[in-house]
Amino acid sequence: ETGVTQSPTHLIKTRGQQVTLRCSSQSGHNTVSWYQQALGQGPQFIFQYYREEENGRGNFPPRFSGLQFPNYSSELNVNALELDDSALYLCASSLGPPGRTYFGPGTRLLVL
Amino acid sequence: GIQVEQSPPDLILQEGANSTLRCNFSDSVNNLQWFHQNPWGQLINLFYIPSGTKQNGRLSATTVATERYSLLYISSSQTTDSGVYFCAVAQGGSEKLVFGKGTKLTVNP
Repeated sequence: ETGVTQSPTHLIKTRGQQVTLRCSSQSGHNTVSWYQQALGQGPQFIFQYYREEENGRGNFPPRFSGLQFPNYSSELNVNALELDDSALYLCASSLGPPGRTYFGPGTRLLVL
Repeated sequence: GIQVEQSPPDLILQEGANSTLRCNFSDSVNNLQWFHQNPWGQLINLFYIPSGTKQNGRLSATTVATERYSLLYISSSQTTDSGVYFCAVAQGGSEKLVFGKGTKLTVNP
């Protein structure tokens, strides 16, 4: 059974640029969620996709957007990057809500 | 929205000691999970425990849903137990996990 994978592991961007982060969910899991974790804080929910449809969104602006593909992999896109977007971005998958959630290793984004 | 409070914020132990971490939440939940975040940032799922008691090796957890708290017990701690322990909850049919601020555990040899 393959766990949750994310790419890239690290990324450096400059303010104003756009970034795409990728996630492959655990085998058989149809729900993918994205979280942002700032240094020293707990993860904050960005949004969730269930069977390719958005199924809930946290308090993040529209420049944070996402997709889920038929194979349940997912992308997180962030436009017009700001310095405060520097964080660890975590992807999580589960077998439908509610359920046990498994996290990927994360992508560390630094915005300069 | 629902509030999640974890205590203590920091805990320093000698190897072999036992500890109890607490998670209080402000409303009813149907999803409660405990995670361990290692120094590299990986979040490991320890327990899915919306109610009742579970054990996994040296770790056990108890959730008393009616009183809105959960406890994570770590026995015979090891240096590899070091890291941050998070409690996360969700309500209704949502899987929007709301995390506490975590307990940072340091186990010294």
